[in-house]
Order: sequence, then C-alpha cells, then structure tokens
Amino acid sequence: GEDVEQSLFLSVREGDSSVINCTYTDSSSTYLYWYKQEPGAGLQLLTYIFSNMDMKQDQRLTVLLNKKDKHLSLRIADTQTGDSAIYFCASEEAAGNKLTFGGGTRVLVKP
Amino acid sequence: ETGVTQSPTHLIKTRGQQVTLRCSSQSGHNTVSWYQQALGQGPQFIFQYYREEENGRGNFPPRFSGLQFPNYSSELNVNALELDDSALYLCASSPGGTGELFFGEGSRLTVL
Repeated sequence: GEDVEQSLFLSVREGDSSVINCTYTDSSSTYLYWYKQEPGAGLQLLTYIFSNMDMKQDQRLTVLLNKKDKHLSLRIADTQTGDSAIYFCASEEAAGNKLTFGGGTRVLVKP
Repeated sequence: ETGVTQSPTHLIKTRGQQVTLRCSSQSGHNTVSWYQQALGQGPQFIFQYYREEENGRGNFPPRFSGLQFPNYSSELNVNALELDDSALYLCASSPGGTGELFFGEGSRLTVL
C-alpha cells in the first residue's frame, strides 16, 4: 500500500523560513495535502496541490511537488511562534476516499 | 457555521469492553471519515461513510464498525477492546468525499 514518510523534527528561528519535506510512494496520487496539528487539537487543512502542478503559493505557504521523485515540500516564510505544531503531509488515493498520512514533522520555532 | 464536533472527548475502558464514539459533521457535508491516531504517529484511515453507506475501509478488523445517519452524523463502534486500541479517534467531514477534510478535536480512548 501507499507509504508516506517525513522527517521527525525541525527547529527554526522566528522570522526564518521553514521547509518540511515529505516523500510518498503512490504515483497515482491525485492530490497531496498539508495539515497542521496543534497540541490537544484535531488536524487543520493548510493547503493542497493537485498532482499535475509543480508549485502552489498561498500567502506565507509554498508547496513544491516533484512528481518524478515523489517528493513534496512545504515552505513557511517568516515563521512565527504560532507556527510551532506538528505538520502532516497526506496523499489521496485516486479513488478519492482515503488519505494516507505521514508520521508528522514537529516544528519548533525559537524566539 | 458549526464545525465538526465529537463526543466524548476522553474516555477510559477496560479490555474486552465495547465503545461508541459520536461525530456531528459540519453543516452541508455528506461524507464522514474516521481516523485512528496512535500517540506520536500520523492518523490511519479506518473507514468513510457517504450518504449512509460505507465508502471505503482501511486495514482495520471487523470489530471496528460504523454508522452514518440521515442527518450525516456518524458513530464509530469498537467491540472487544484491546490495549492497542488506545488512541485519539478523529472524525472528519467533507463536502462530497474530497480530501479537504474538516476534523473534529477527537475522542481520546484509553484501554486499560
């Protein structure tokens, strides 16, 4: 089945850019998503990209997709302390009824 | 607009017992998905309901079952609880089965 991998931890200084990386195995994934989870909370959709796109920008967020290498990244510009959270990437099966999530990257923003 | 709400927020059960978790979907959403999130891991897909029918199931045994009601609210039932069932159970609704999921805050189940 589909496998989604992420690095475990990222530490970044406030005001710098953060880059969170993700790899996936299913080449037929239609959409790829980034979700954010704060302590004790559910997941919040941040952004997504369709598989035929290379890049998507949404305010401070930039998603890059390298479909050949099955590599997805999320760049957060001007990282703030409120961005400290766990970030999950997820791929959607072609059938559209299931997301496969990575294990999450914990981002710590230092003042 | 009311978001996704789940109940109970926390509960403790013992091995072998049964549990029912409830979810009210966001207004206008006809699809509900359930995910299990073990501590320190990403969510794992349990199943999805679309217009009261199961519309996909993950790698979970039959003792995990669900229902969706005409108002699109949903229940997750787990029979014969095992210690490994301890997790955060997340319900998510979506407008028509897309991956743009709107999550509730989850029900944290502890099995002793």
